[in-house]
Amino acid sequence: LAKTTQPISMDSYEGQEVNITCSHNNIATNDYITWYQQFPSQGPRFIIQGYKTKVTNEVASLFIPADRKSSTLSLPRVSLSDTAVYYCLVGDNQGGKLIFGQGTELSVKP
Amino acid sequence: GAGVSQSPSNKVTEKGKDVELRCDPISGHTALYWYRQRLGQGLEFLIYFQGNSAPDKSGLPSDRFSAERTGESVSTLTIQRTQQEDSAVYLCASSSGGTDTQYFGPGTRLTVL
Repeated sequence: LAKTTQPISMDSYEGQEVNITCSHNNIATNDYITWYQQFPSQGPRFIIQGYKTKVTNEVASLFIPADRKSSTLSLPRVSLSDTAVYYCLVGDNQGGKLIFGQGTELSVKP
Repeated sequence: GAGVSQSPSNKVTEKGKDVELRCDPISGHTALYWYRQRLGQGLEFLIYFQGNSAPDKSGLPSDRFSAERTGESVSTLTIQRTQQEDSAVYLCASSSGGTDTQYFGPGTRLTVL
């Protein structure tokens, strides 16, 4: 399973766009990139998944360059309630265990 | 429909006691997972059930840990002779199988004194 590297923490202010980049240099051809969000005292929640180029949903956008060795989760106009830990995962999307790294702790300030 | 539920939400026990943690997955989900999360850390995979296949137990840290699942419904994680290092939040997740989209429960916070 490809290892992922992401910043340990990030700070932002309400209304700003936040971009969290994840490195996955050893991503395999069949691998997808999935992001989860975890609020304190809750289980992680699926945010978005992509394979290449750009994916957008009601919560976030995911940008994946052509070489797929990194990906960027973009959160538009964050609010205080977006304060959470964000995990980047890489896997073949065939089910099975998920490998979580340390994640990025995002702190949104007023 | 209802999400994944876990019970109890909190469990305090004494070192050496056995504990049982319960997970009720989303109805119809064939896959069920257990993870452990220590304070300030990411999630560690413990065990994975998929339908009637043999479970993937590769993440269980010792033979004191075991889990069972009845068909495609409830699962129980048992920790025997608990140790202080077992203190953590134990998270259960379920999925429809064949996908990395898992739905997590709220977890059980286990404290071993």
